[in-house]
Order: sequence, then C-alpha cells, then structure tokens
Amino acid sequence: QVQLVQSGAEVKKPGASVKVSCKASGYTFTRYYIHWVRQAPGQGLEWMGMINPSGDRTNYAQKFQGRVTMTRDTSTSTAYMELSSLRSEDTAVYYCVRLRNAFDIWGQGTMVTVSS
Amino acid sequence: EIVLTQSPGTLSFSPGERATLSCRASQSVISSYLAWYQQKPGQAPRLLIYGASNRATGIPDRFSGSGSGTDFTLTISRLETEDFAVYYCQQNGTSSWTFGQGTKVEIK
Repeated sequence: QVQLVQSGAEVKKPGASVKVSCKASGYTFTRYYIHWVRQAPGQGLEWMGMINPSGDRTNYAQKFQGRVTMTRDTSTSTAYMELSSLRSEDTAVYYCVRLRNAFDIWGQGTMVTVSS
Repeated sequence: EIVLTQSPGTLSFSPGERATLSCRASQSVISSYLAWYQQKPGQAPRLLIYGASNRATGIPDRFSGSGSGTDFTLTISRLETEDFAVYYCQQNGTSSWTFGQGTKVEIK
C-alpha cells in the first residue's frame, strides 16, 4: 500500500542539527511533491516547505529559510529534512506528507526533542 | 500570506447531532486549494476534503465541504463517536501552504 515511513525519535542539544528521513513506497516517488509539516506539543500544524522529488526543486517557508534543507534520494525513494541551529522551540513532531490533490498521505511522524 | 481563522476553538456536541465548522480566510482562496483534515490524539492528520467539497478516498458521506472565496464550511451530518477530534482547514497560495489553528469537536 501507499505509505511514508519516517525515521525514529531524536533528542538533540540546542545548536545542533537533526536530519529526518521519509521513505516512500507503493507509488512512483518522483511523481508527487513531498512536503514537511511540524506540530509542537499541544499546538497546531505548521508548514515548513516542500521538495520536488523529480527535479530537486525546493520551496521553504520564510520562517525556516536558512535553517532548513530538504533533499531526496530517488534511488531509495527517500526524502530528507535537515533542520539546523536547533532551539527549544523546535521541539515538535515532524511529518512528511505527499501532495496529490491535497496532503493525502502522511508519515507517522518523528518526535524531535531539543533539550540541554 | 493568507491567514485561515477557525472559530470557535472548541465545539461541543452529542453523538447524532449535526456539526458545522467554519474556516475564514484573510483573502480569497482558490477553492481547488482548500482542504480539511481530521486529527485524533497521537495520530497523524487524515485528509477528509480537498478542493473545498471533494471527499477523499474512504471518507464517509456524512462529511461534506462547501464554500468559496473567503468562507468555507465542513459539515458532519450525524456525529459518531469516532468523529470527536480536531479539524484543520488548509490552503495553498503562491507556493505557500497555511493551516487554520484547528477546531476541537468534543463530546457534550
């Protein structure tokens, strides 16, 4: 079946970087954009940016410009999101999402905790 | 950036009742790019409605979406116990996606 499977939970210190992976299966990876959305504890959903797996084009939310990098490996149908200069406010669940008509397939989420 | 406002933040209903959720945009939204999601505790969101009024695959017909311009509505015709959750609207503008802050539908 169509699914996105993300890497496991991470604990990082302030100032460090984190890289989350998202492996797609059940469909042609290069056919649909992958987006990243995060959700802080008890809060709403926040769009971070997107990558075109076919051409490697990216578009980041202004809030994360300069701190986020989205990449992909078409040989393994995997997308990656790296966030640098982590601070406590980055503690959240990070989701990768497929864009078809809307965000139709979601990964299970990766909890990233930033704590000294 | 288009801001989506969902109000009120919480709505209380009894099972079997009809629920109407509102999503208002700060400027006009292309209907094709308006979606609704449901999220239950500890789970990823699930797509319910896309293009303002189209049900996603596997979504029961008690869920319906409507609206245009700046005002959109999600209606649940008869609430079942599994429908008590948080609902988010979402839009995409010029290469930028935004979500409403969510409406929690709780049991009265």
